[in-house]
Amino acid sequence: AQTVTQSQPEMSVQEAETVTLSCTYDTSESDYYLFWYKQPPSRQMILVIRQEAYKQQNATENRFSVNFQKAAKSFSLKISDSQLGDAAMYFCAYRTPSSFRDDKIIFGKGTRLHILP
Amino acid sequence: EPEVTQTPSHQVTQMGQEVILRCVPISNHLYFYWYRQILGQKVEFLVSFYNNEISEKSEIFDDQFSVERPDGSNFTLKIRSTKLEDSAMYFCASPASGGTDTQYFGPGTRLTVL
Repeated sequence: AQTVTQSQPEMSVQEAETVTLSCTYDTSESDYYLFWYKQPPSRQMILVIRQEAYKQQNATENRFSVNFQKAAKSFSLKISDSQLGDAAMYFCAYRTPSSFRDDKIIFGKGTRLHILP
Repeated sequence: EPEVTQTPSHQVTQMGQEVILRCVPISNHLYFYWYRQILGQKVEFLVSFYNNEISEKSEIFDDQFSVERPDGSNFTLKIRSTKLEDSAMYFCASPASGGTDTQYFGPGTRLTVL
């Protein structure tokens, strides 16, 4: 069964600095998708970034980028120029390609990110 | 980001009562999903629904739970006899139009069972 592990329950970073959140996963599949979701205090789940496993190029979305290491099954999120609004719980997530069955998202336990002014 | 809506935002109920949570996924999509997040814990898959049928369900999704599509655009999650441990955030999720790769989440319904 696929699993997602986030080993950092909490992290803190100074405003305007860069922070990297770690995630590892386990799967026997060769094709899959990886995601980072942000959950602010409102508890809404907001998609931050996604990566297709077949793409070697790391995904980027403005200040957010990933370091995808397929062989190591590692998928870290880098937040540059941290802002107070980035404070939230961040979940790493995995899913297999869409099919009639087994396309659910599997989440890690999350990393709570604090931004220090 | 495509919009998924959920109602109510917060539901308080007595143990043993039935609750119905509602979701409107991204328009015209045949897939939708329900997830649950107990406070302070990770998000867990409950059930996926495709073209008017359950395609997969987790072990959490026991006989107390059911999903329906009462009309073309609305989906519901029903808990027949709520228990204290059903208190959680319930999210529905839907892929965007034209694709199934990425699931977008609704704002969630916070269920409190007293």
